Amino acid sequence: AQSVTQLDSHVSVSEGTPVLLRCNYSSSYSPSLFWYVQHPNKGLQLLLKYTSAATLVKGINGFEAEFKKSETSFHLTKPSAHMSDAAEYFCVVSDRNKAAGNKLTFGGGTRVLVKP
Amino acid sequence: GAGVSQSPSNKVTEKGKDVELRCDPISGHTALYWYRQSLGQGLEFLIYFQGNSAPDKSGLPSDRFSAERTGGSVSTLTIQRTQQEDSAVYLCASSLGSSGVAKNIQYFGAGTRLSVL
Repeated sequence: AQSVTQLDSHVSVSEGTPVLLRCNYSSSYSPSLFWYVQHPNKGLQLLLKYTSAATLVKGINGFEAEFKKSETSFHLTKPSAHMSDAAEYFCVVSDRNKAAGNKLTFGGGTRVLVKP
Repeated sequence: GAGVSQSPSNKVTEKGKDVELRCDPISGHTALYWYRQSLGQGLEFLIYFQGNSAPDKSGLPSDRFSAERTGGSVSTLTIQRTQQEDSAVYLCASSLGSSGVAKNIQYFGAGTRLSVL
């Protein structure tokens, strides 16, 4: 079984300051890990993915995440927040188990507020 | 190119009525997934199609929920005798395949917001 825990339901940052969104996962198999972003009334957009090629993954819009197997973590960071980063962020795990068809298990989400 | 398309974008229905939600995946994507996003439960998996077959239906919450996919393309999620707890946003996603690094990236539609009165 797989599960994802996002440690903060809400994060508030000032524009121009760093953003850190924390995520821990558990998985029975070698996982694929993703971060998706959801802007209000919009669909989910893929920010970045980890699939074992490199532990530091760079995504779109200046976001990156580091896979730490020993800590079962996949935290998302951005050096400098922009107003357009205000959205809800989901950490997602997919077991590489063919029988499961790569169904995604989502964390509870972290809502990011960016203050001017 | 066109993304995943879902219709309707909003649906309001009365308790006890049946509803059908439609998903048009990205052309050429063989895998299709339905998820539900609700305030109480977050985002949860419902069903997975590979081609027209559904190897994993484990997320369907009750036998009032069913889904089919025809021609390896369009999928319909049907909810019979809707209840208020069915109110949620229903999301569809598709991927090129279901195995392999690049093939398993899922692309999501904007969702159908279902309100059961």
